[in-house]
Amino acid sequence: GAGVSQTPSNKVTEKGKYVELRCDPISGHTALYWYRQSLGQGPEFLIYFQGTGAADDSGLPNDRFFAVRPEGSVSTLKIQRTERGDSAVYLCASSLGGGNSGANVLTFGAGSRLTVL
Amino acid sequence: GQNIDQPTEMTATEGAIVQINCTYQTSGFNGLFWYQQHAGEAPTFLSYNVLDGLEEKGRFSSFLSRSKGYSYLLLKELQMKDSASYLCAVRGRGGATNKLIFGTGTLLAVQP
Repeated sequence: GAGVSQTPSNKVTEKGKYVELRCDPISGHTALYWYRQSLGQGPEFLIYFQGTGAADDSGLPNDRFFAVRPEGSVSTLKIQRTERGDSAVYLCASSLGGGNSGANVLTFGAGSRLTVL
Repeated sequence: GQNIDQPTEMTATEGAIVQINCTYQTSGFNGLFWYQQHAGEAPTFLSYNVLDGLEEKGRFSSFLSRSKGYSYLLLKELQMKDSASYLCAVRGRGGATNKLIFGTGTLLAVQP
């Protein structure tokens, strides 16, 4: 697509429930990133995919968080047993390549706002 | 580890110039990025520096000193629409380090 698309744009759930957030990256972008952003803070890195594999998942806060990208395009971030502290905007970004040379600019989606009651 | 510091808030006047500073400490360095984020919207790319010096792009310029771990974003001829959060981000080096680590952002308010 023309840009990074994220669904849903808003999700309200109850504590303890399971949620899935979807990201559709820019066509042709092999690298995909998940970040989360709390109010007044910068984006916090969660996980980075190069193709289908998770190249760096060091930012996932605990084992309730999991992400997949089975065909190297669309990715799903899965959160089990949600807690109130998980409330944030979850941002997805994609970039052309996975190498760390050159600008390799990340393009962000509009985010999915998750509210856990 | 990585640590990125930037001021929390700044205020400037329409038509003026403002400089937003960013200092960083990283275990490796492979580029510094500036993003703009309007309230409720996605961050959008502004500039990229990997070598020392000034990169100019229209009303926006970004400077980098790797030896000092320092960058600034310079905004000239400020417009009301420049009111936004400005995010400094650093990319590390080595291994699977293509991720960007962001600072907390500087909220800029442009006043008439």
